[in-house]
Amino acid sequence: DTGVSQDPRHKITKRGQNVTFRCDPISEHNRLYWYRQTLGQGPEFLTYFQNEAQLEKSRLLSDRFSAERPKGSFSTLEIQRTEQGDSAMYLCASSLTGAQGEKLFFGSGTQLSVL
Amino acid sequence: AQSVTQPDIHITVSEGASLELRCNYSYGATPYLFWYVQSPGQGLQLLLKYFSGDTLVQGIKGFEAEFKRSQSSFNLRKPSVHWSDAAEYFCAVGVGPSYDKVIFGPGTSLSVIP
Repeated sequence: DTGVSQDPRHKITKRGQNVTFRCDPISEHNRLYWYRQTLGQGPEFLTYFQNEAQLEKSRLLSDRFSAERPKGSFSTLEIQRTEQGDSAMYLCASSLTGAQGEKLFFGSGTQLSVL
Repeated sequence: AQSVTQPDIHITVSEGASLELRCNYSYGATPYLFWYVQSPGQGLQLLLKYFSGDTLVQGIKGFEAEFKRSQSSFNLRKPSVHWSDAAEYFCAVGVGPSYDKVIFGPGTSLSVIP
């Protein structure tokens, strides 16, 4: 168990640029989640996958955001035409589906700053 | 719509004192309930979870939580707080057909006075 890894740890970009983040979940985990967290707030649900299938995308999420998990392993989160309001910590989590519900294992996150 | 509220934004307690962090949820059915902790510079870590059965659940680090259906609450407790417990605490609910969509509350920041 090497844990959930996210890359990069930090990203600084200019408004209007596109950014892409990567998440590598724990290898046997079939569920993968993306959350966004701003200072002093709880993680905000963005989207989640079971294997390669995207189960749900938050209705609050702009069309500028897209996520993929093409082979059911790693996932990418892309933000197009970034805005200053996109500045946040982007968290990835993974879990193994079971009858007893979900224990999420979180990565350390990618801190995005949009200038 | 499902939601989680944590009425206390920030709590300060003295080391050795007891602790209770409040959590209320809104969901049409009995949800799966969780408490996570986020220490400075650390990732979120699960403290405990409730699905069914005994309404008092034990977790790691000496924490426990009690589910009260009548109050839609899932409060976290610890009888004696240690300085290392200073962190951000998040209550969360698992909702949806498989209870696999996890929604977090806004969090309570805990400070511990030596």
